[in-house]
Amino acid sequence: DADVTQTPRNRITKTGKRIMLECSQTKGHDRMYWYRQDPGLGLRLIYYSFDVKDINKGEISDGYSVSRQAQAKFSLSLESAIPNQTALYFCATSDISRGDEQYFGPGTRLTVT
Amino acid sequence: DAKTTQPPSMDCAEGRAANLPCNHSTISGNEYVYWYRQIHSQGPQYIIHGLKNNETNEMASLIITEDRKSSTLILPHATLRDTAVYYCIVTRKGTYKYIFGTGTRLKVLA
Repeated sequence: DADVTQTPRNRITKTGKRIMLECSQTKGHDRMYWYRQDPGLGLRLIYYSFDVKDINKGEISDGYSVSRQAQAKFSLSLESAIPNQTALYFCATSDISRGDEQYFGPGTRLTVT
Repeated sequence: DAKTTQPPSMDCAEGRAANLPCNHSTISGNEYVYWYRQIHSQGPQYIIHGLKNNETNEMASLIITEDRKSSTLILPHATLRDTAVYYCIVTRKGTYKYIFGTGTRLKVLA
């Protein structure tokens, strides 16, 4: 969905490096989410935010942190990347006043060597 | 949240209807059925959702049984571009909690 953008789309980094993945949305939604997907598996929730001042841990938050800089921007950081954080990362948005279905960005493919 | 069960894979001939089943026998009264699909490694795409009535939109129809323990997503005229993994998710509206299982891998055959 072009209304949700993620940068970078692909990234290769080394173990121990700090890396930030960024998500922006023009849908005007209040809720934003970060997921990761490992090969052959479904998505798992890392963090979610229901508004700018609300940040919550998801299922697999260890090793990650987030920042909600504005309603439209939600960043995911890996403080010290490790190889098992190699995965596809997706950002999503939703709006409780409009049905709350989630709209996903195109994903970031992260490889940690 | 209710657990869902989907067949791991299905084939469908191009132009025919694709009927994708989902079992959710432990669904609660306030839980909705959502369907998403993921084409290759793209971001999942919302398809449709419903509570207890059948729903239809431009992409698909959702049929929910009267006891709400199962549902079927229907793609009325499948095309090759419908080849994807389809996820059935049961959750309360407004919750953050989507549980993506492994879904059904639908292959549309020419």
